[in-house]
Amino acid sequence: DAKTTQPNSMESNEEEPVHLPCNHSTISGTDYIHWYRQLPSQGPEYVIHGLTSNVNNRMASLAIAEDRKSSTLILHRATLRDAAVYYCILSVVTPLVFGKGTRLSVIA
Amino acid sequence: DVKVTQSSRYLVKRTGEKVFLECVQDMDHENMFWYRQDPGLGLRLIYFSYDVKMKEKGDIPEGYSVSREKKERFSLILESASTNQTSMYLCASTSPAGRRSGELFFGEGSRLTVL
Repeated sequence: DAKTTQPNSMESNEEEPVHLPCNHSTISGTDYIHWYRQLPSQGPEYVIHGLTSNVNNRMASLAIAEDRKSSTLILHRATLRDAAVYYCILSVVTPLVFGKGTRLSVIA
Repeated sequence: DVKVTQSSRYLVKRTGEKVFLECVQDMDHENMFWYRQDPGLGLRLIYFSYDVKMKEKGDIPEGYSVSREKKERFSLILESASTNQTSMYLCASTSPAGRRSGELFFGEGSRLTVL
């Protein structure tokens, strides 16, 4: 699986948008981009996935660069409940290989 | 909602004991996975199964085995527990469509301590 690079940690103020970056310069044409998050003391939770086009769902938006070498998970309005570790994963099919992710802190 | 249930949230076992970690899902998913999660190492894949009685090794299968006798149940077995198997164990499942979309459903995890 191609490698992803994410910042170790990020901070956001409550009720502000959050942009979580992910670099994946070695992505192949068939790799999907998946995002998961893991709240404290819970298993990971699926957030969103995409291939080439930007995607929106009730939880977040996924913006994919035109060359697909990077992507950004956008939380439109951070809440305290969004404090978690966010994982960016590339895969064609499961199983998924999780990296270390970005720990997001949300400040009230 | 899909529910993935792991039998125990917390277990304490002694070195050399045989340990069973059970995982049951209620959405008729064909695909099931076992990961372990350790600080600084992230989630690592132990075993997975794409059908009843089928199993595939993941990245770290040593010291573990699995059983998939029924579609809804995927068991992780530690034949002789060792202290380095102290960890959080996470079970996940997905449908055939989910294999491509990557939409895995995880249980809450089983924290195993081996003394």
